[in-house]
Amino acid sequence: SQQGEEDPQALSIQEGENATMNCSYKTSINNLQWYRQNSGRGLVHLILIRSNEREKHSGRLRVTLDTSKKSSSLLITASRAADTASYFCATGITGANSKLTFGKGITLSVRP
Amino acid sequence: GAVVSQHPSRVICKSGTSVKIECRSLDFQATTMFWYRQFPKQSLMLMATSNEGSKATYEQGVEKDKFLINHASLTLSTLTVTSAHPEDSSFYICSARDAGGASGPNTGELFFGEGSRLTVL
Repeated sequence: SQQGEEDPQALSIQEGENATMNCSYKTSINNLQWYRQNSGRGLVHLILIRSNEREKHSGRLRVTLDTSKKSSSLLITASRAADTASYFCATGITGANSKLTFGKGITLSVRP
Repeated sequence: GAVVSQHPSRVICKSGTSVKIECRSLDFQATTMFWYRQFPKQSLMLMATSNEGSKATYEQGVEKDKFLINHASLTLSTLTVTSAHPEDSSFYICSARDAGGASGPNTGELFFGEGSRLTVL
């Protein structure tokens, strides 16, 4: 069963604005990851945050994790038209049999 | 970063034929690969976990005789859609985990192929 649920399902912003996407999950996790998918392409790993971390940065990306609320947010600052894509959160439990469960995704459109 | 190559990127076939999709890790060894299916504007649905040298583990509801998975080496896994029908038309994506990654084999990050779009007429 799907673990992560992102919101909003679709987001349209102007270039230069910040984009905030949220993800909620249901069970205990070891890590939460965000991926990006351009239309018709494979997924690209953006950032991983472990369950003992609260915030992580990577370039224009900022991810937060609140394990008490079972939620995460992905912030893209100073968005660009090239950021237009679908974004998925995925939850995982590390270990020999680990696998990721993906949410439904958020479609981000950045208007030039 | 690690590269996963998936081939073919697009395939069109007639109903009743079988189609093989290959997933290769180009610069790392992958003891585990994952096969996903994605419908338009929807999430990735895990179909099966492919383990090198052993049988694949299928998710509930996925027919193992319909979707044959072979993981014969540390760099190659194949998915064969047997006796394909129009309802099998979909975007199939593989991913792999770097078994020898600096952070260890089970840190979580997956490397994805570019996907294979299957259209069954």
